[in-house]
Amino acid sequence: GAVVSQHPSWVICKSGTSVKIECRSLDFQATTMFWYRQFPKQSLMLMATSNEGSKATYEQGVEKDKFLINHASLTLSTLTVTSAHPEDSSFYICSARGRGNDDEQFFGPGTRLTVL
Amino acid sequence: DQQVKQNSPSLSVQEGRISILNCDYTNSMFDYFLWYKKYPAEGPTFLISISSIKDKNEDGRFTVFLNKSAKHLSLHIVPSQPGDSAVYFCAAFWSFGNEKLTFGTGTRLTIIP
Repeated sequence: GAVVSQHPSWVICKSGTSVKIECRSLDFQATTMFWYRQFPKQSLMLMATSNEGSKATYEQGVEKDKFLINHASLTLSTLTVTSAHPEDSSFYICSARGRGNDDEQFFGPGTRLTVL
Repeated sequence: DQQVKQNSPSLSVQEGRISILNCDYTNSMFDYFLWYKKYPAEGPTFLISISSIKDKNEDGRFTVFLNKSAKHLSLHIVPSQPGDSAVYFCAAFWSFGNEKLTFGTGTRLTIIP
């Protein structure tokens, strides 16, 4: 199947700093990328959907100015957590869907963010 | 409002036996359903899917059954293997809507050797 990578896999940062997480589709062009957040013992919650070259669509309750998403190319989307706080500590997962691939999303391995 | 529900948070099954994971949904607009498997500290991996025009889809040891009238789907794993121990999420979306995946809360499957 298609491969989606995330970098970094694990990041620890101080409160108040910004962290950028990259999501790359390695062997296909991802016209749509999704960013999810998983809390302990809870399902994945969709944060935003981004289409290449356009602004991301955020889910209700997700702060656009705090979670900046950029989908500048067909193989790369970035999530920047600005002014991170301890409550932002979580597991962030991206997924990607290619053109014409309507029935499947390929998930990245996730990024564990810990804010001290 | 949890539109996709997995009422069993955990399940233990003897190796070699059948594992049955259940999922219920409330939104009748959903027309495509997927199962994902997730190991700790990893992203989910796609297992199997089913369209609402079918009631069964089989792929190797994995079979998904869909009962539209009951708004219920199940994943059968036969025979269960130790490597199947993971958290399983069912997910659903509406293909004519925004195609956003709505996930259940997951069921932790433990295969006992």
